[in-house]
This record gives sequence, C-alpha cells and structure tokens, in this order.
Amino acid sequence: DQQVKQNSPSLSVQEGRISILNCDYTNSMFDYFLWYKKYPAEGPTFLISISSIKDKNEDGRFTVFLNKSAKHLSLHIVPSQPGDSAVYFCAARHNNAGNMLTFGGGTRLMVKP
Amino acid sequence: ETGVTQTPRHLVMGMTNKKSLKCEQHLGHNAMYWYKQSAKKPLELMFVYSLEERVENNSVPSRFSPECPNSSHLFLHLHTLQPEDSALYLCASSQDPRGSSYNSPLHFGNGTRLTVT
Repeated sequence: DQQVKQNSPSLSVQEGRISILNCDYTNSMFDYFLWYKKYPAEGPTFLISISSIKDKNEDGRFTVFLNKSAKHLSLHIVPSQPGDSAVYFCAARHNNAGNMLTFGGGTRLMVKP
Repeated sequence: ETGVTQTPRHLVMGMTNKKSLKCEQHLGHNAMYWYKQSAKKPLELMFVYSLEERVENNSVPSRFSPECPNSSHLFLHLHTLQPEDSALYLCASSQDPRGSSYNSPLHFGNGTRLTVT
C-alpha cells in the first residue's frame, strides 16, 4: 500500500504559467516533506522541503504548501520555464525513522515554450 | 570530486555473475542509502547505514548484500540476480537528523543502470 501518492503521472504547462504538482499521503506520522527533481540519466536533486509545523515554504519560483488535515501537499512553480521540464518526486519522512524517505511515483512536468 | 559519485554508470550482467556497485560521498555526511527505481514504480529504500547502524527493507532479497566500510563509502554486492532486478540503483547520503534540529535532505548520485540478462 503506497503511503505517498502522486496521482498525476504527467502535466503539461505553457512557459510563463504556473505549474502545480500534487501529492497525497496517508501516514499521519510523517513530519517532513520534500520535493525532488529528476532529469534523465541523473539522480534526483533536492528542490524544496517543508516541516509539518509549517503550511508554506517559498524559495524563489518554488513554493510548497502543506495541508495536514487533508494530508496533501503541493508544489507551485511560477513562472514555469522550459528548463523545469523533469520528473518531480514528492517524499515524506516518518518522525521516528531517521532520514528514511518514502517516495511518490513521480509526475513528469513538460513546460512548452 | 564533489557530491555523491556512483560507479559504474551502466552494468550488464548475467544471472550467474557476481558484481559490485560502488558509491562514494564527499559531503561529510554520516548516513548512506541504497534506493532502487524500477520502471513505473516509486523509489524503494533498500538499505540504510546511519550512525553505525544498518537498517534494511525486509522485502529486499538476500542476493543483494550491502557493505559500508566507512561513512564515505558504500557498496552493493550482487550475486545470482534475476532479470526482474534490472533497474536504476541510486545511492544517497545525508546527515542523520536524530539528535539534531536540522533537517538534512538526501543527496543522490546519478545511479547505476543495471540490466540482468
């Protein structure tokens, strides 16, 4: 049973518009959430994170929102750029599990020029 | 060299071969991880070495054997693999957050693409 789910396998957005990637989780013991970006033939790279004590974290064009009651987080990219085209993974950490992350299946974002 | 380095980048092996994947981190981290990414599946944690403890995913078959001689090096020894073991194997490192208020994200290598024939 997947504890972290990304229900949209792909998303296509026009350059300059907002990209919204969604992630749902089931385990209420998760206390730290991360987004990773992955280009082909490369490993995932850390993008942005949020602690469960916050509901928003912003870093430049990237903002992550956390809705604990809904067990839902989202990543907003604005404005989207063609270089943002990649697979985005949502990950979550259990508060008693060191740094072991549970990943979602990923969403492939395509930003069209 | 910086970051997390994995070798080889690609590996093709027969089911009777024995091979090893190597990972080295230059970030001063105290925890290292092996993840597996199969086609159309989420990244799956295989093994963790952290604060001199080893934690493993109980679903990983014994034909995968990790070794962590020190905090900078991690190996994954492979023997008598099956074709379904073909996948991208990713190494990562981080600071273990236990005992600290600092949240440390995982830093990944570029992976080894393994094909078992």
